[in-house]
Amino acid sequence: DAGVIQSPRHEVTEMGQEVTLRCKPISGHNSLFWYRQTMMRGLELLIYFNNNVPIDDSGMPEDRFSAKMPNASFSTLKIQPSEPRDSAVYFCASSFRDTTTEAFFGQGTRLTVV
Amino acid sequence: AQSVTQLGSHVSVSEGALVLLRCNYSSSVPPYLFWYVQYPNQGLQLLLKYTTGATLVKGINGFEAEFKKSETSFHLTKPSAHMSDAAEYFCAVSSFNDYKLSFGAGTTVTVRA
Repeated sequence: DAGVIQSPRHEVTEMGQEVTLRCKPISGHNSLFWYRQTMMRGLELLIYFNNNVPIDDSGMPEDRFSAKMPNASFSTLKIQPSEPRDSAVYFCASSFRDTTTEAFFGQGTRLTVV
Repeated sequence: AQSVTQLGSHVSVSEGALVLLRCNYSSSVPPYLFWYVQYPNQGLQLLLKYTTGATLVKGINGFEAEFKKSETSFHLTKPSAHMSDAAEYFCAVSSFNDYKLSFGAGTTVTVRA
C-alpha cells in the first residue's frame, strides 16, 4: 500500500480564500484523523472519523473549519475563510482500530496563509 | 481524559552515547502507548508501541521502551546514538475505548559528532 496520501503538499493562499486539504487513507482502515501541527501548540487533534462518521470534532477550532468523509477512501478538511493564524502543517492519519491500534500518518500539507 | 507529558523539549547526546527520552502518561483505563519519530518536513513514523503483554517493547532502529504502570511512565531508550537519530520524538497515548491519539509536546534530539 502507498500509505496515507495527502494533497497538496504545500499550499499558499491569501487571507479570506477557501482552502481544501485532501486525504486518502490506507485501504481497509476504518478510522481517520486530522491533526494540526504548529510550533506554539504542537500536535492538535482536530477531528476523527470512524467508519466515515465523525466521532469527535471538539478539536475543530471554529466554524471556519469543516471536515467530511464521503466514503472510506477520501476525506477533506476545508477552511473558509482562511486566516494567517491557520498557517500550520496539517496531517491526516488512518488506522484499523480493531487490530493495529496505531495510526499511520501522511506526509502532511504545509499551509501558509498570507 | 488521557494525556502524556514529555520531560525535556531538547536533548543533546554524543554519537555512541545513551539516548533517554522521558514520557509520563495519565489515563483512567489501561493505556495504549506509542513513540513516534518525525524527521524534518516529514510525517510521523511509528517507532514502537505497547498495548498489552510484555512491558519491554522493542522497536525500529534499535529503540526500546518499558511500560511501568507504578510510575505511569513509558521512557524511550537507545543504547548508542547515531547521527541519523537526530529528529523529533513524540510520545502518545490512546486506549481500547478511545480512538484518538493524544500526543506529548515532543522532544528534539540532536546528536553531536
